[in-house]
Amino acid sequence: DQQVKQNSPSLSVQEGRISILNCDYTNSMFDYFLWYKKYPAEGPTFLISISSIKDKNEDGRFTVFLNKSAKHLSLHIVPSQPGDSAVYFCAAKAGGTSYGKLTFGQGTILTVHP
Amino acid sequence: DGGITQSPKYLFRKEGQNVTLSCEQNLNHDAMYWYRQDPGQGLRLIYYSQIVNDFQKGDIAEGYSVSREKKESFPLTVTSAQKNPTAFYLCASSLQGSYNSPLHFGNGTRLTVT
Repeated sequence: DQQVKQNSPSLSVQEGRISILNCDYTNSMFDYFLWYKKYPAEGPTFLISISSIKDKNEDGRFTVFLNKSAKHLSLHIVPSQPGDSAVYFCAAKAGGTSYGKLTFGQGTILTVHP
Repeated sequence: DGGITQSPKYLFRKEGQNVTLSCEQNLNHDAMYWYRQDPGQGLRLIYYSQIVNDFQKGDIAEGYSVSREKKESFPLTVTSAQKNPTAFYLCASSLQGSYNSPLHFGNGTRLTVT
């Protein structure tokens, strides 16, 4: 049972445009959400997070939106740069669980063309 | 520079052999984790440890074993009982005292069993 889903395996955008990566979840107990970025043959690196008490969090070019009623979150990258090309994973944590017990989506490969 | 070191980067073993993957961190983090990544799937939690000499099973612990004798080290043994051991293995750590502390990942070990 896939509790966190990223339904788009890949996304291709032009440099300077907006990239929107989507993530859906099914577990109502999730109260904290994170996005990680991963380059080939490397470990994921933390990008941005959002608590369930918020609906938006911004950090520079990256903004995460949370729609709790729809159990949906999205990551916006504006403007997109070629260096943003990577695999993006969304992850979720349920309240009361251990700190690192994250449930990950399958990942979306983002390609930003110059 | 603080970080997580996983070695080796690539590992090849014959079926039926046990193999141990190394993970060392110098971030002074209390909690450490092992995740597994397969193509087209998100990361899945194998084992985690919140303090020395204590560890818990994650979602896919069967066929794996761990030890946590030192704060800095959390080796993972892939036993011959693991049915599909070929995968990319990621070690991570986090601050124990902070509920929403993001995971810091190593660069992974790609294990191939033939």
